[in-house]
Amino acid sequence: EVQLVESGGGLVQPGGSLRLSCAASGFTFSSSGMHWVRLAPGKGLEWVAYIQGTGGTVYYPDSVKGRFTISRDNAKNSLYLQMTSLRAEDTAVYYCARDCVAGINLAAFDIWGQGTAVTVSS
Amino acid sequence: DIVMTQTPLSLSVTPGQSASISCKSPQSLLHSDGKTYLSWYLQKPGQSPQLLINVVSSRFSGVPDRFSGSGSGTDFTLRISRVEAEDVGVYYCMQGLHLPWTFGQGTKVEIK
Repeated sequence: EVQLVESGGGLVQPGGSLRLSCAASGFTFSSSGMHWVRLAPGKGLEWVAYIQGTGGTVYYPDSVKGRFTISRDNAKNSLYLQMTSLRAEDTAVYYCARDCVAGINLAAFDIWGQGTAVTVSS
Repeated sequence: DIVMTQTPLSLSVTPGQSASISCKSPQSLLHSDGKTYLSWYLQKPGQSPQLLINVVSSRFSGVPDRFSGSGSGTDFTLRISRVEAEDVGVYYCMQGLHLPWTFGQGTKVEIK
């Protein structure tokens, strides 16, 4: 069964850091581009980060660039999101998602994890 | 950034009737490979988002044929024929061509 399972969410103070993980199974992880997407309370979905299957290319929107770092360990079938300098507006459920488009500058997401909640508050 | 505009933002539908959601992009989503990178997602209450439609009109595996996508360039439509109770949730369009990739605001569908 194709599956993505996130972990690592929790409560963190503004300015703090958190590392999210996503364990993949049921597909060839190293061949798949992967994303993080978030859903903030009362808002819509926002794409947060992308990493190519080899890890050679990464993309971020300006809202998290310089604060978030996406990485992967293909030997462990795992995806990560290191979040630093966290702000209240980063409060959201974070989903990892598999890319299903052939092309690193193109995106669609066919498999999603169940999400992990991040709350940034003092 | 590409701002994707969905209308309406909410929809109340009688079971068995049809529903349509519009999604507009300020720029064309047509790629040089001939494909148009517009996808549709549904987030049911308490669940993760799920892919319904990719590249405008290609239904994802397991998606009922009651769901159909259409459009080209900048204007797109998701149609749900014969709406069922299980179709409630928030529907999002997403453009996957121009970085940063962006979603519409979401359309909340409820059953009357």
